[in-house]
Amino acid sequence: IAGITQAPTSQILAAGRRMTLRCTQDMRHNAMYWYRQDLGLGLRLIHYSNTAGTTGKGEVPDGYSVSRANTDDFPLTLASAVPSQTSVYFCASSEDRNQPQHFGDGTRLSIL
Amino acid sequence: AQSVTQLGSHVSVSEGALVLLRCNYSSSVPPYLFWYVQYPNQGLQLLLKYTTGATLVKGINGFEAEFKKSETSFHLTKPSAHMSDAAEYFCAVSVGATNKLIFGTGTLLAVQP
Repeated sequence: IAGITQAPTSQILAAGRRMTLRCTQDMRHNAMYWYRQDLGLGLRLIHYSNTAGTTGKGEVPDGYSVSRANTDDFPLTLASAVPSQTSVYFCASSEDRNQPQHFGDGTRLSIL
Repeated sequence: AQSVTQLGSHVSVSEGALVLLRCNYSSSVPPYLFWYVQYPNQGLQLLLKYTTGATLVKGINGFEAEFKKSETSFHLTKPSAHMSDAAEYFCAVSVGATNKLIFGTGTLLAVQP
């Protein structure tokens, strides 16, 4: 079934450690996104990519980095994790801008 | 700047009753509007979208929403709630040349038997 695959599904991480969340889509969508979801705050955009080779900052980019080496993959890296980065992270993709976004099932990340 | 306000973080209805989830947006240019549903431990699924044209939009699972420019609203409705509708619902706006979605804070819908 076509869609978005996120890995891992959950992770507990010590503060200060480096962590990469993986996201792969098989729909050949141009645009990809990373969100974090926190209780009472909804989803907030971390970084996005309109097309392979380009990335941009969202609403809450600090402490995160992304890369888009090809169309299918859009990893999110926490260089040095902090407890405030405890959240559920969702990757999404869309065929083009202003098209509906398709979401993965999320990665639940706890930073201790 | 664009923003979305969902009135009511929790809404409870009886099975068979009307569902009304409120969404108001702020945008200086014509918006694209979306409703998403999230079931526990899952990602978001698109319910419906408004881009241009007909202001009454029908989505999946019997939901519909009406774009009212004069009220800057995009409320989600369903005539008769089903137990399976219990989930969290998010309204979102996407504007102009960007493809960034601005989400509301969500409304958790409970359906009582």
